Amino acid sequence: GQNIDQPTEMTATEGAIVQINCTYQTSGFNGLFWYQQHAGEAPTFLSYNVLDGLEEKGRFSSFLSRSKGYSYLLLKELQMKDSASYLCAAMDSNYQLIWGAGTKLIIKP
Amino acid sequence: GAVVSQHPSRVICKSGTSVKIECRSLDFQATTMFWYRQFPKQSLMLMATSNEGSKATYEQGVEKDKFLINHASLTLSTLTVTSAHPEDSSFYICSAKPGLADTDTQYFGPGTRLTVL
Repeated sequence: GQNIDQPTEMTATEGAIVQINCTYQTSGFNGLFWYQQHAGEAPTFLSYNVLDGLEEKGRFSSFLSRSKGYSYLLLKELQMKDSASYLCAAMDSNYQLIWGAGTKLIIKP
Repeated sequence: GAVVSQHPSRVICKSGTSVKIECRSLDFQATTMFWYRQFPKQSLMLMATSNEGSKATYEQGVEKDKFLINHASLTLSTLTVTSAHPEDSSFYICSAKPGLADTDTQYFGPGTRLTVL
């Protein structure tokens, strides 16, 4: 079956760095998406990786290893507004997104 | 760019009534739109894929006669929850793809919180 695994909850300190991991098992693979979702709001797009390696976008970076079925989202210089759920989604061979349950990130001052 | 709107943002209705939710792509044409529902502390669950001018493709376990989807134009898709019941209370989110490539990013609307009394 198809499956996405990511931690349920993480806690970090304002100004620090946090890495949110995601492992996936899908029938075929057409890329890995990361979305941010604040409580009661819809997800907003953060990143898309389809090739191995690190993609940096400001304070956020996303990494992909296709051979390992693994991705991570790296958040630097954490701010209180980064408190949210982070959703990992892998696109399978039918171009359908398989969603993880999300990682709730709690930022403490 | 790539803005998606949803209306209404919040609706409370009585059991047995029907509720229509609109999803619009404001600054792009969306051949494909998606409808999701999300229960508290759970992941997004895809309900159906909506293609302009054709019938929606429903995911397994989603009743197409209960959740009516109409994608009448390249900028508008509607989801109608017919004969709503309390178990239909959920957060309904639409998304749209601005391009034609299958790998194009989905952009989400702000969601509609439905409460059925």
